[in-house]
Amino acid sequence: KAGVTQTPRYLIKTRGQQVTLSCSPISGHRSVSWYQQTPGQGLQFLFEYFSETQRNKGNFPGRFSGRQFSNSRSEMNVSTLELGDSALYLCASSFEQGLGNTIYFGEGSWLTVV
Amino acid sequence: AQSVTQLGSHVSVSEGALVLLRCNYSSSVPPYLFWYVQYPNQGLQLLLKYTTGATLVKGINGFEAEFKKSETSFHLTKPSAHMSDAAEYFCAVSVNNNNDMRFGAGTRLTVKP
Repeated sequence: KAGVTQTPRYLIKTRGQQVTLSCSPISGHRSVSWYQQTPGQGLQFLFEYFSETQRNKGNFPGRFSGRQFSNSRSEMNVSTLELGDSALYLCASSFEQGLGNTIYFGEGSWLTVV
Repeated sequence: AQSVTQLGSHVSVSEGALVLLRCNYSSSVPPYLFWYVQYPNQGLQLLLKYTTGATLVKGINGFEAEFKKSETSFHLTKPSAHMSDAAEYFCAVSVNNNNDMRFGAGTRLTVKP
């Protein structure tokens, strides 16, 4: 069974640009969540989608957005990039929502903003 | 609000020695706790999790953790370290009725030959 797949793995963008990251969850998983990992702030929850609906959102500015498609694939978008957006963006999926669910992570997309 | 604190950003052990990585949690409700491992340039892999039931949880690669409510702790242990255990380890707590996880700052484990 294929794991969580994220594309692209590495990308470099310029300040002010926007970026779209893609995530394909494990087959059959309906929940997709996104995390940002930086050396300074660690792992921070961005948002979660379940059955195409955003169910929860972390404390990030509106420049960060996402969506989920009917096949459970998800994208996240960051507009007007800032240097501080440089990070590893991790996508995770699980079969359903709920406390105690195991979420499975992809290998992440490394974003560098210059 | 639920949170976890990992004590020690770096831990170094010799190969064959006991591994002990510390995690304390704060939660107003019964917590669901996790340990994840991250190897360089990779995502996070689940080692083990505690939901309900037995307080001693066994995971992959010989790791285990014990949930101690009285101490609000969920420390990760492995009796004998292997070179391949060198990685960063994250403790996490599940928040609310969704997949919002709150992670600790991480502990980097170094294994010396």
